Amino acid sequence: DQQVKQNSPSLSVQEGRISILNCDYTNSMFDYFLWYKKYPAEGPTFLISISSIKDKNEDGRFTVFLNKSAKHLSLHIVPSQPGDSAVYFCAASGDNYGQNFVFGPGTRLSVLP
Amino acid sequence: NAGVMQNPRHLVRRRGQEARLRCSPMKGHSHVYWYRQLPEEGLKFMVYLQKENIIDESGMPKERFSAEFPKEGPSILRIQQVVRGDSAAYFCASSPRRTATYEQYFGPGTRLTVT
Repeated sequence: DQQVKQNSPSLSVQEGRISILNCDYTNSMFDYFLWYKKYPAEGPTFLISISSIKDKNEDGRFTVFLNKSAKHLSLHIVPSQPGDSAVYFCAASGDNYGQNFVFGPGTRLSVLP
Repeated sequence: NAGVMQNPRHLVRRRGQEARLRCSPMKGHSHVYWYRQLPEEGLKFMVYLQKENIIDESGMPKERFSAEFPKEGPSILRIQQVVRGDSAAYFCASSPRRTATYEQYFGPGTRLTVT
């Protein structure tokens, strides 16, 4: 049973519009959440994080929202650019200092020019 | 400054053969972590090594899998007598000290296919 789910395997968005990537989790003990981006033939790179004491974290065009009661987080990219086309993984853990992050299967984002 | 390097990038093995996956960490990094991504699933931590020592192998299957990080040379993930269920992407990551996942630098991965 997957503890972290990304129910949309793929998403296509027009350049300049907003991309919203969703992630749901089942374990109420998760307190720390990450988003990674992965280009083909490259390893995942860390993008942004949020802890459960916040409901929003922003870094430039990237904003992560956390709804703990719904066990749901989302990554917003505004405005979307063709270079954002990649696979996005969310990950969750009960702590932020170890290797115990549970990763979702990823969503492939395509930003169309 | 070269990033984390993994080779081979693609590896095909028949059932029962051995697979050896190599990981060269970033320059100055002495901590290596291996992760596996099975089809349709997320990355899962397997093992954490520091030079010549296995620090945490809690995610490693108990049989057929082993890992090492010798004083000289790359870290090796070894899978003996591979089975179809071993087909996956194997990623290694490195760091200059013990760190959480989000502070590790990932390599491009090795895609293992077992036929």
